[in-house]
Amino acid sequence: DIQVTQSPSSLSASVGGRITITCRASQSVNRYLNWYQQRSGRAPKLLIYAASKLHTGVPSRFSGSGSGTDFTLTISGLQPEDFATYYCQQSYSNSRSFGQGTKLEI
Amino acid sequence: QVQLQESGPGLVKPSETLSLTCSVSGGAISSDNHYWTWIRQPAGGGLEWIGYVYKSGSTNYSPSLRGRVTISLDTSRSQFSLRLTSVTAADTAVYFCARDVGHCDSVSCSDYLDSWGQGIPVTVSS
Repeated sequence: DIQVTQSPSSLSASVGGRITITCRASQSVNRYLNWYQQRSGRAPKLLIYAASKLHTGVPSRFSGSGSGTDFTLTISGLQPEDFATYYCQQSYSNSRSFGQGTKLEI
Repeated sequence: QVQLQESGPGLVKPSETLSLTCSVSGGAISSDNHYWTWIRQPAGGGLEWIGYVYKSGSTNYSPSLRGRVTISLDTSRSQFSLRLTSVTAADTAVYFCARDVGHCDSVSCSDYLDSWGQGIPVTVSS
């Protein structure tokens, strides 16, 4: 199984600020790494796929980078609606797996 | 725009079988490169991938649930289903169905969950 580890598990930031979340896979997943946003009580939404490709309709303040085992999600110019929980997911293996999540708080 | 909707009982007794259905509309359930997926999330916890079924009927399951889980497809009803046997309180969670899309462009391929149901809470309790 491929384990996916996210850090930090939570972080605080301010509107207008910039944050970075890290995701590390236990083995190379090439660029098969996706990022999702989940607001409280809602289903997750796809933000970024293939490590760095922005999903349709996602604002350009979201960006992703990395390949192999190490990946980052960066949000610049934080907006109030960005305060949510973020998950990475590897889709390299037929048995997919998620990171533990990062809760972004004001 | 594909839409997914989970349905099923919200309460299941311990040791019994949890059965949920996901209805798909606005898109063909028998499309190539679409893997129909179940994911769950315990209260206050993270997302756990359960498994998927492909249009051919082939499946892939989480190693931690293999042996208890079955995901099947009914193309005539545009639905796919989850069965989880011998449930315990640890199976209490919100269950989501989702579409996993395999996509290739000129440079690379990718797989991602692009459409999700709203989720259905299931409690395991006597």
